[in-house]
Amino acid sequence: GIQVEQSPPDLILQEGANSTLRCNFSDSVNNLQWFHQNPWGQLINLFYIPSGTKQNGRLSATTVATERYSLLYISSSQTTDSGVYFCAVTTSGTYKYIFGTGTRLKVLA
Amino acid sequence: EPEVTQTPSHQVTQMGQEVILRCVPISNHLYFYWYRQILGQKVEFLVSFYNNEISEKSEIFDDQFSVERPDGSNFTLKIRSTKLEDSAMYFCASGQGSFGYTFGSGTRLTVV
Repeated sequence: GIQVEQSPPDLILQEGANSTLRCNFSDSVNNLQWFHQNPWGQLINLFYIPSGTKQNGRLSATTVATERYSLLYISSSQTTDSGVYFCAVTTSGTYKYIFGTGTRLKVLA
Repeated sequence: EPEVTQTPSHQVTQMGQEVILRCVPISNHLYFYWYRQILGQKVEFLVSFYNNEISEKSEIFDDQFSVERPDGSNFTLKIRSTKLEDSAMYFCASGQGSFGYTFGSGTRLTVV
């Protein structure tokens, strides 16, 4: 089956810093979403982005489907950005998401 | 923004007991899912449900699990005889097939 790897696994930032999170996948995908899992365990949808670029405030994402990766950019990070970031993908013939390994982000005040 | 609602938020149960986790998906969505996340691990797919039947299930979704959409609005996951290793966060999600889908806030199940 498809492999979804995220890097880095852990990231510590000072408040105000910028960061780039990466999601690599081993096969073609039909759907891709980025999620933020907050410290209470909730999965918050950030972007639905099977291809192209989207922006929402301080966050933006780019997926280059032909090269099998997606990037999540966080600018001017805040302590509330802390948590785990997951990308999740579906492949042809299925709507089930395969989640990546996650990036654990900690933003220090 | 429409939400997927899950109840209860936390449930503690004794090993061997049956539990039912409840979800109210977004009203115009057609696809429904259950996922679970054991503490500190990845989110894993359990089952998908479309047109009143299971469309796909994982190896984890064995005979002790079942799903139901009893009344056209609720979507439930039943675990017949809980084991310690069933302790996890269980997420319900709904979607329209494409355009991604929305997760609920989860039910933290603790089996003691």
